[in-house]
Amino acid sequence: DTAVSQTPKYLVTQMGNDKSIKCEQNLGHDTMYWYKQDSKKFLKIMFSYNNKELIINETVPNRFSPKSPDKAHLNLHINSLELGDSAVYFCASSHGQGQGEKLFFGSGTQLSVL
Amino acid sequence: GEDVEQSLFLSVREGDSSVINCTYTDSSSTYLYWYKQEPGAGLQLLTYIFSNMDMKQDQRLTVLLNKKDKHLSLRIADTQTGDSAIYFCAEMTGGYQKVTFGTGTKLQVIP
Repeated sequence: DTAVSQTPKYLVTQMGNDKSIKCEQNLGHDTMYWYKQDSKKFLKIMFSYNNKELIINETVPNRFSPKSPDKAHLNLHINSLELGDSAVYFCASSHGQGQGEKLFFGSGTQLSVL
Repeated sequence: GEDVEQSLFLSVREGDSSVINCTYTDSSSTYLYWYKQEPGAGLQLLTYIFSNMDMKQDQRLTVLLNKKDKHLSLRIADTQTGDSAIYFCAEMTGGYQKVTFGTGTKLQVIP
């Protein structure tokens, strides 16, 4: 079983569309994250949730809205997609105990906005 | 500041040692990590070190931490072609489980 799974793996869409990426973890972790990796491989945190509660919200346009229906799931909805949103989006999870957080990553969703 | 910097590229011959360096700026970092990313995959944790340690060894991996200079390094002994990947250092600062990643170093291993 895949520990952190995200879907879809590839997403190609037109500018202005709305899309969602889903993430699920079966590790029993309390904390989940969304990271964005750009074409230069720079990895930036976007959001994190601990037990369904938003705890980190970096400077991200409000077109991006995370939703955590339960602690095993963290979805990312993006409204009015722009060319600059093209990137690889990674979901991750960790125990969330605040002691040496070890992140487990999904395999990424490559988003291409045309 | 929270910038974590690494050199972009490192090329070594198979069997040699690789040393990947990282400079961080947040002195309150409690844990520092090394992650590996292979093409088309997510990041995988290799090892980590607590800020009150200065060295940690795990099989072929040796992590050195110099808190005074805010310098972290990863040494890979007997580097293999399968070690070719991008390596990210990362730091956890304070609470909120915030882990900030470095700019990544692409390691190329020449057979």
